[in-house]
Amino acid sequence: DTAVSQTPKYLVTQMGNDKSIKCEQNLGHDTMYWYKQDSKKFLKIMFSYNNKELIINETVPNRFSPKSPDKAHLNLHINSLELGDSAVYFCASRPGGSYNEQFFGPGTRLTVL
Amino acid sequence: AQKVTQAQTEISVVEKEDVTLDCVYETRDTTYYLFWYKQPPSGELVFLIRRNSFDEQNEISGRYSWNFQKSTSSFNFTITASQVVDSAVYFCALSEARQGAQKLVFGQGTRLTINP
Repeated sequence: DTAVSQTPKYLVTQMGNDKSIKCEQNLGHDTMYWYKQDSKKFLKIMFSYNNKELIINETVPNRFSPKSPDKAHLNLHINSLELGDSAVYFCASRPGGSYNEQFFGPGTRLTVL
Repeated sequence: AQKVTQAQTEISVVEKEDVTLDCVYETRDTTYYLFWYKQPPSGELVFLIRRNSFDEQNEISGRYSWNFQKSTSSFNFTITASQVVDSAVYFCALSEARQGAQKLVFGQGTRLTINP
């Protein structure tokens, strides 16, 4: 039933590790996104894919690499985790047409120790 | 560059009071879209409303209403007769009108606390 799902919901790891967050949407949307919400609740876009093609790549360290194996999935891999990567990461999807809202996943809280 | 400002960081009111959350935006585009999202304590982001730049009609949905004024670049949100369940962080967001690459630019959020 879930429209946009993310796994895991919580991720606690040590500095220097590599981790991945998975996102899946069952809405048939063409476009998917990753957003980062910091400790002050500020939300900022990181990446966007449209039909498996990268279309938005904000100023994000290249330790972050998104991968879209198909239209319904957008995963986020993070190498060499740093303390500053601790945040909540939200996946979102949107149907075609720019006047449509984005549907957000429940978020993944990443804590780097 | 696009920018959204929610000057009210936190608002606290007593239940049943009316409360207005302010949102001011900046954009050079003539066509753009505005959104409000709610983030309750459980953490998910819930879509509330969208508006395009050509539609300045106010909207009312139950206890919620939105006032879009292009002349002042504002898209304010009012909750009438507030309830404890309205307690959340509310985000205003702006996007440009481009196919495919709709990027939401969020304001800083307003934390609304409704006290019983």
